[in-house]
Formats: sequence, C-alpha cells, structure tokens
Amino acid sequence: KAGVTQTPRYLIKTRGQQVTLSCSPISGHRSVSWYQQTPGQGLQFLFEYFSETQRNKGNFPGRFSGRQFSNSRSEMNVSTLELGDSALYLCASSLAPVYNEQFFGPGTRLTVL
Amino acid sequence: QQQVKQSPQSLIVQKGGISIINCAYENTAFDYFPWYQQFPGKGPALLIAIRPDVSEKKEGRFTISFNKSAKQFSLHIMDSQPGDSATYFCAASILNTGNQFYFGTGTSLTVIP
Repeated sequence: KAGVTQTPRYLIKTRGQQVTLSCSPISGHRSVSWYQQTPGQGLQFLFEYFSETQRNKGNFPGRFSGRQFSNSRSEMNVSTLELGDSALYLCASSLAPVYNEQFFGPGTRLTVL
Repeated sequence: QQQVKQSPQSLIVQKGGISIINCAYENTAFDYFPWYQQFPGKGPALLIAIRPDVSEKKEGRFTISFNKSAKQFSLHIMDSQPGDSATYFCAASILNTGNQFYFGTGTSLTVIP
C-alpha cells in the first residue's frame, strides 16, 4: 500500500510570492491534516480536512489556506510568502477524524528567499 | 503557548542502555498520547500510543509510562540501538475533536555503538 505522497519535495520561492503544495493520502484515508515543522517551533498544526470540509484550524494567519478534493487529495496554499514561512510542511492522513493514528508524508521543504 | 512540553532536547546513550524522554501537558481534556519517531528527510512515524485509562503500554523495546495525576508521560527505549538514533516527538490530542495534534518540541537521540 503506497504511503502519503507530497509534491513537490523541495521548493524555493521569494518573498511576496504564493505557493501551492499537494498531498495524496493513503488509499482509503479520508482525513488529511497539515503541519508546519520548524527548528524553533517544532510541529504546529495548520488545518484538517475531511470530506472536503475543514474540520479544525490551527493558529495561523489567513495567508495559509487549504482545500480537499472529492478523491481526498489535498492542497495547501500560502500567499504573500514571508521569510518566516520557510519550513518543512507535512501532510498526514488517517481513515477518518476519529481514527487518531495518523500517517505522515515525507514533507515539502519550502525555502523563502 | 506550548501545550506539550518535552525534555530533554537532546540525549546521548550508549548502545544497550535505556533512553528516557519525558513530556508534560496542561490540558486535562487530552485523551490520546502518541509518540512519533522521525529520521532525517522523512516524516514522523507513529511508534506507540497510550490512552489515559492505562498507566503503561509496552511494545517490544518501547514503553510508555503515563501518570495522569501529574499530567506527565514518558517514553522508555530499552536496550537502545544505534538504529534508534532519531528525533522523537511526543504529542497529545482530544479524540473526539479530530486529528489536531499538539506536539512536543522533540528530542534528538543519539545511540553510541
């Protein structure tokens, strides 16, 4: 069974640009969560989607948004990039929101110059 | 505000020794406590998890000890091996609210041969 896949794996952008990251969950998994990982703050929850609906949202500015498609694939978008947005963005999938066993993808390393 | 506090930040253990990582939380509504292992370039992988109705859970060389009254839980790695060298994260969540996990800041474990 294929794991969680994230594309692209690496991305370099400049301040002010926007970026879209993609996540394909494990087949059959319908819940997708996104996390930001930085050396200083660790892993911080961004948002969770289930059945194309956002269920939970972390404490991030509105520049961070996401969506989920009918096939459970998810995208997150960051607009007006700032230097501090440089991080590893991790996607995790689970069967459903009440199944807390989450499986993480390898992440997308975003560098903002 | 860090909802889950983790210590130590780094740990060096001799092969065959016991590695102990501690976490503390404040929110008494948390009812699911997983530990994740992360190797460089990979996403976190679930190692072991516990719910507060038990005080200990063991899987192979990995044991979680849970102290509900002290709001603390810890990971013990028995007979530590060089292959255990990784970063370990504790986390907490509230089962019925979905997959919003609150992570500790991580412990970098090095097992010396």
